[in-house]
Amino acid sequence: GENVEQHPSTLSVQEGDSAVIKCTYSDSASNYFPWYKQELGKRPQLIIDIRSNVGEKKDQRIAVTLNKTAKHFSLHITETQPEDSAVYFCAASKGNTGFQKLVFGTGTRLLVSP
Amino acid sequence: KAGVTQTPRYLIKTRGQQVTLSCSPISGHRSVSWYQQTPGQGLQFLFEYFSETQRNKGNFPGRFSGRQFSNSRSEMNVSTLELGDSALYLCASSFSGSGETQYFGPGTRLLVL
Repeated sequence: GENVEQHPSTLSVQEGDSAVIKCTYSDSASNYFPWYKQELGKRPQLIIDIRSNVGEKKDQRIAVTLNKTAKHFSLHITETQPEDSAVYFCAASKGNTGFQKLVFGTGTRLLVSP
Repeated sequence: KAGVTQTPRYLIKTRGQQVTLSCSPISGHRSVSWYQQTPGQGLQFLFEYFSETQRNKGNFPGRFSGRQFSNSRSEMNVSTLELGDSALYLCASSFSGSGETQYFGPGTRLLVL
């Protein structure tokens, strides 16, 4: 089955720096890659997603890149702010199978220091 | 639209008991998925329901079961609780599944003593 690896497990940056989180997936049939942010005690919230027909997607300070050949995708956060501190999860799924199943990475704890 | 809701938010049970958790999806969403979140195993897929049918199931023992009603609300049941079942149980809804955005509920935190 699908396996998603995520690195690093923890990431500490100074406010204003950029942060990059990387994920690799094993199943070449995966074609939908969302990123979720989970603050302490709260639900995971979608921050950005990308589909396999696109190589890059950007939304203000957040961007995601996808390399289908290498089977990896990355989350880029620029101009980090303390409120970006949270655990970030990448996930992968096969969106054309007729069912919904997200396989998650193990999460990255991002700490942005003022 | 109201978001995904889950009840109860917190539960304490003892080993051997059973528990039923409830999830109400976003209005109009017909796909409901359940996930277990633990510090050790992370977020793991339990099962997905669509139009009252289980479409997919993760690698969990048969003690974990679920169902979906005609109004798309879903319940999951865990029988013969074990200490290792202590976790945050999250449900997520999407319009029809198949690679669409999933919106998560706040979760039910289950503690098994």
